[in-house]
Amino acid sequence: GQSLEQPSEVTAVEGAIVQINCTYQTSGFYGLSWYQQHDGGAPTFLSYNGLDGLEETGRFSSFLSRSDSYGYLLLQELQMKDSASYFCASEDNYGQNFVFGPGTRLSVLP
Amino acid sequence: DTAVSQTPKYLVTQMGNDKSIKCEQNLGHDTMYWYKQDSKKFLKIMFSYNNKELIINETVPNRFSPKSPDKAHLNLHINSLELGDSAVYFCASSQDRYSYEQYFGPGTRLTVT
Repeated sequence: GQSLEQPSEVTAVEGAIVQINCTYQTSGFYGLSWYQQHDGGAPTFLSYNGLDGLEETGRFSSFLSRSDSYGYLLLQELQMKDSASYFCASEDNYGQNFVFGPGTRLSVLP
Repeated sequence: DTAVSQTPKYLVTQMGNDKSIKCEQNLGHDTMYWYKQDSKKFLKIMFSYNNKELIINETVPNRFSPKSPDKAHLNLHINSLELGDSAVYFCASSQDRYSYEQYFGPGTRLTVT
């Protein structure tokens, strides 16, 4: 089975940097994805780590450490529109199981 | 053009009724999914189809039955609706069963009274 843990809430101010952590316990772990979901909206894909290290996509970066069963999403130069829920998600190496974490609600304050 | 579409967007019905939600993707993807998101925003996979073949069937009551007439469509039929079925149901698709990037539809908010 697979399970992922994330903080339930994070608050930061505009222009700041915030890190959202995700720890996982999985069998046959293959990779870690990150999704953003605004209230009333659908999840949208942000980033993926299949290998250890940092992946950068504009203001967003994601990191994975397989040895620590840990990853994080880093959001830089926070904007009000970044207020949303962020989910980490893992898949196993058979493409048979795709599990989402409980989500972290990010509030960006002016 | 909408990549993944679902109908209806809202569905209000009474306990015991049977209802269906339809999903279509125009991305040419091989794999489609159904997710349930509860009131606490916990997102859980229910089913996955790859080229019309069922590949993931999580622990879901057998009142829920997916059907994929072709690889661009995945419908969800729910029998004997219960209060606990109230949730937002998302359809999603990916290039293939090993792709990590999933494209989600806008969701169907189901309310059972």
